[in-house]
Amino acid sequence: ILNVEQSPQSLHVQEGDSTNFTCSFPSSNFYALHWYRWETAKSPEALFVMTLNGDEKKKGRISATLNTKEGYSYLYIKGSQPEDSATYLCAFPYNQGGKLIFGQGTELSVKP
Amino acid sequence: NAGVTQTPKFRVLKTGQSMTLLCAQDMNHEYMYWYRQDPGMGLRLIHYSVGEGTTAKGEVPDGYNVSRLKKQNFLLGLESAAPSQTSVYFCASSYDRVYTGELFFGEGSRLTVL
Repeated sequence: ILNVEQSPQSLHVQEGDSTNFTCSFPSSNFYALHWYRWETAKSPEALFVMTLNGDEKKKGRISATLNTKEGYSYLYIKGSQPEDSATYLCAFPYNQGGKLIFGQGTELSVKP
Repeated sequence: NAGVTQTPKFRVLKTGQSMTLLCAQDMNHEYMYWYRQDPGMGLRLIHYSVGEGTTAKGEVPDGYNVSRLKKQNFLLGLESAAPSQTSVYFCASSYDRVYTGELFFGEGSRLTVL
C-alpha cells in the first residue's frame, strides 16, 4: 500500500491569516490527486480533482497546485475565516480503478 | 436531492453478532466505496466496487464482506462483529474513475461493538 502523507497534522491560525499545507504522494504511476474538506459532524466534500502536472485550481479563497514529478500538492487558503475550520484531506488513486487512498488530513482551526 | 444515503446511522452490536450496512445512491454512479474512520487513522478503504456485480478489496478488508447486486446499492456486512470494528463507516460513490471523478459521501454510520 502506498503512502500518502499530509503535513502539518494540525494548524491554528488567526482570522485573516493565509495558510498552506502539503500532501506528498509517490511520483510514479500518477493518476490524479484529490482534495477534500471535512467539517466536524459532516461528510467530506470534494474541493478539487487534479490530474495534470503544473495544474492549479481555485475555488473562492482556496487554491491548489500540483507537482507530479516530485510528488506533492499544496493547498492554500487566502485570508482564513472561522468557517474554514475543518480537516483537509488529500487522496491518491492506488490504481486506475477505485482504490483511492486518503492521507490522515490536516486539521485547520481558525480563531476569530 | 438524496445523493448517498446510509442506513442505519447508529448501531450497537454485541461481539459475534452480524449486521449489514446499506448504502444507496440515486446519482447513477458506477463506482461505490466503503471507508472506515478511526481516530488518528484517517479514512481507510475497506472494499470498493467498479460496477454492478463487481467488488474488490481495499486497504482493510478483513472481517467484512460486500455485495453490489444492484447498481444503486452497496452493502457492507459484518458476519461476526468484533470490538476492533467499532468505527464510523462512510459510503461514497463516484460517476467516473477516481482519476477524474470526485467522491460523494454519505453521512456516516456509527457502529459500536461491545
